Amino acid sequence: EDQVTQSPEALRLQEGESSSLNCSYTVSGLRGLFWYRQDPGKGPEFLFTLYSAGEEKEKERLKATLTKKESFLHITAPKPEDSATYLCAVKDTGGFKTIFGAGTRLFVKA
Amino acid sequence: DTEVTQTPKHLVMGMTNKKSLKCEQHMGHRAMYWYKQKAKKPPELMFVYSYEKLSINESVPSRFSPECPNSSLLNLHLHALQPEDSALYLCASSQVVSGTSLSYEQYFGPGTRLTVT
Repeated sequence: EDQVTQSPEALRLQEGESSSLNCSYTVSGLRGLFWYRQDPGKGPEFLFTLYSAGEEKEKERLKATLTKKESFLHITAPKPEDSATYLCAVKDTGGFKTIFGAGTRLFVKA
Repeated sequence: DTEVTQTPKHLVMGMTNKKSLKCEQHMGHRAMYWYKQKAKKPPELMFVYSYEKLSINESVPSRFSPECPNSSLLNLHLHALQPEDSALYLCASSQVVSGTSLSYEQYFGPGTRLTVT
C-alpha cells in the first residue's frame, strides 16, 4: 500500500537557523514526488516536483532532494515568512490519485 | 498564469439547504480535482475529472455531487449535508499524463470554507 510519512510533525526554528524536513515514502512505482507549502486557511502552493533519485531543485531558501526512499526539504537561513505547513505528496503508476503526507508545521521566530 | 479560482470563499448552510461550490481554471489543464481538508490534516481526494469525464470517485456520499460542464469549470453540488462535512473544500487542476512515465503537479485554488449548521 502506498504511504507517505513526514517528520517532524512540527518544527520550531529561530530566524537564520537552517534545518531539514523529511518525507519517507513507499510506492509501487514513483511517477513524481511533490512539495507544497500551505498557509492556514489557504490552498496548497506548489513548490517542487522531483522524479528520480539524485534529483535536486532549489527555490530561494528552499532546496528539495530525492532518494529512492525519501525526500528532504532543506531550509537555509529561514525567515518568519517561511512559517507554514509543508506537505509532501507522491503519485504512483496508478493514475490520478496523489497520496499526501500529514505535513510538517514550521514555525520560524524572529 | 497558474491561478485556480474558487467561489464562494466562505459558505454557511443548514442541513436542508442546497448549495454549489464553483471552480475555474484557464491553464488548459484537462484534469480537475475536488479535495476535502479538515483542520491540521492533509487534503483528502474526493473526485477526479479527466477530459470532463469522472475518473475517480473516492466513495464519497451521494450528498456531494460533482459536475464538470466544460474543460475550465468544475462544480460541487451540496445537498442535505451533515455538520461533520464542515471543512475546507479545495479544487485543483493539472495536466493529463498520457504515454509517459511522468506525472504533473496539481495547482490548487484558495478553497471554500464550508460550515454546516
